[in-house]
Amino acid sequence: GENVEQHPSTLSVQEGDSAVIKCTYSDSASNYFPWYKQELGKRPQLIIDIRSNVGEKKDQRIAVTLNKTAKHFSLHITETQPEDSAVYFCAASTVPSSASKIIFGSGTRLSIRP
Amino acid sequence: DAGVTQSPTHLIKTRGQQVTLRCSPKSGHDTVSWYQQALGQGPQFIFQYYEEEERQRGNFPDRFSGHQFPNYSSELNVNALLLGDSALYLCASSFRLGANYGYTFGSGTRLTVV
Repeated sequence: GENVEQHPSTLSVQEGDSAVIKCTYSDSASNYFPWYKQELGKRPQLIIDIRSNVGEKKDQRIAVTLNKTAKHFSLHITETQPEDSAVYFCAASTVPSSASKIIFGSGTRLSIRP
Repeated sequence: DAGVTQSPTHLIKTRGQQVTLRCSPKSGHDTVSWYQQALGQGPQFIFQYYEEEERQRGNFPDRFSGHQFPNYSSELNVNALLLGDSALYLCASSFRLGANYGYTFGSGTRLTVV
């Protein structure tokens, strides 16, 4: 069945350093890959997404890369700041479709050390 | 512009009882998806409603049912509650044919089954 694997499950980096979270997906039909940030007790919030016709997308300190052949995609956060501490979820979906659903990874707890 | 609203925010139920959770989608959105997020896990897809019909369903038993109303709001019903149903239930809305495929999540309903 459809599956998204995410690693690492926890990540601790020094403030100012970079953080990388990696995911793999199983469904070859997946063509939309969003990333969500969830702070403690809050809702998941979309921070960046990428579609399968693009290999890389950047938004300020955040970038995502996609290797469709290998079914890998990654989130890169540069110049990390304390407010980046949260749980990050990768996800995969097939859109547009008549009934799209988003399959989430298990999450990465990112901690930024001052 | 109101986002996705869910009610109630917290709920405590006894095993065997039934519960109804409610969701109002973001203005302009016509599709509602429900997710279960157990502690420390990623959101798991329960089902999705569009045009008042269940369009797709995840791997959840029939105890989980839903409904979508003409105004696009939705309910999630869970019968015969089990301790394992304790989780954060997230509602997410989207616009089926929109260029932005990302979901907007509500803040969730924290269900505790005792």
